[in-house]
Amino acid sequence: EPEVTQTPSHQVTQMGQEVILRCVPISNHLYFYWYRQILGQKVEFLVSFYNNEISEKSEIFDDQFSVERPDGSNFTLKIRSTKLEDSAMYFCASSEDRGDYGYTFGSGTRLTVV
Amino acid sequence: QKEVEQNSGPLSVPEGAIASLNCTYSDRGSQSFFWYRQYSGKSPELIMFIYSNGDKEDGRFTAQLNKASQYVSLLIRDSQPSDSATYLCAATGGGNKLTFGTGTQLKVEL
Repeated sequence: EPEVTQTPSHQVTQMGQEVILRCVPISNHLYFYWYRQILGQKVEFLVSFYNNEISEKSEIFDDQFSVERPDGSNFTLKIRSTKLEDSAMYFCASSEDRGDYGYTFGSGTRLTVV
Repeated sequence: QKEVEQNSGPLSVPEGAIASLNCTYSDRGSQSFFWYRQYSGKSPELIMFIYSNGDKEDGRFTAQLNKASQYVSLLIRDSQPSDSATYLCAATGGGNKLTFGTGTQLKVEL
């Protein structure tokens, strides 16, 4: 079964450093998403991306965050200057359509900011 | 603020019993509703979606939607120990952003 691949599975970074989380969505999917889940809390929407541009973003997705689809397969989330409170599990997801039928999540990257 | 509410549990059921998980949502504009299963430390896995009032069955799972009451439920028949997980209810309002509840932890006991 096709899957969304995320790398790395775990990233430890120092506060203030930049990190890039990488995702390879399912190949025929057109919509891409980033969500995060702080330990013990709910899954929260960060951003959706379609046709090479952001289609929607949440209040969490401020200027320190950016997304990019640098080539035909990768979808990246950059956090420019990490803070302790950015420590969370970050999930990439993709869907063939607008997501009316749900979407497929990757296995996640656990980001730990120290 | 659009909210999806779930009882955090844990909900304990014996093996073979029916587990009933419930969810309410605040946004009347919500159109599609989803149940995801999440094992500890893992990513959400889609179980079912529903967008019409009534019941939708898939194997041991039945999703129920009542838009007038803003209520969604998931029934798991013949519960197995492998069903022990956190079940996330989510809603979307026509855009492609999912709003998740906090999840209900289900424990199926031998």
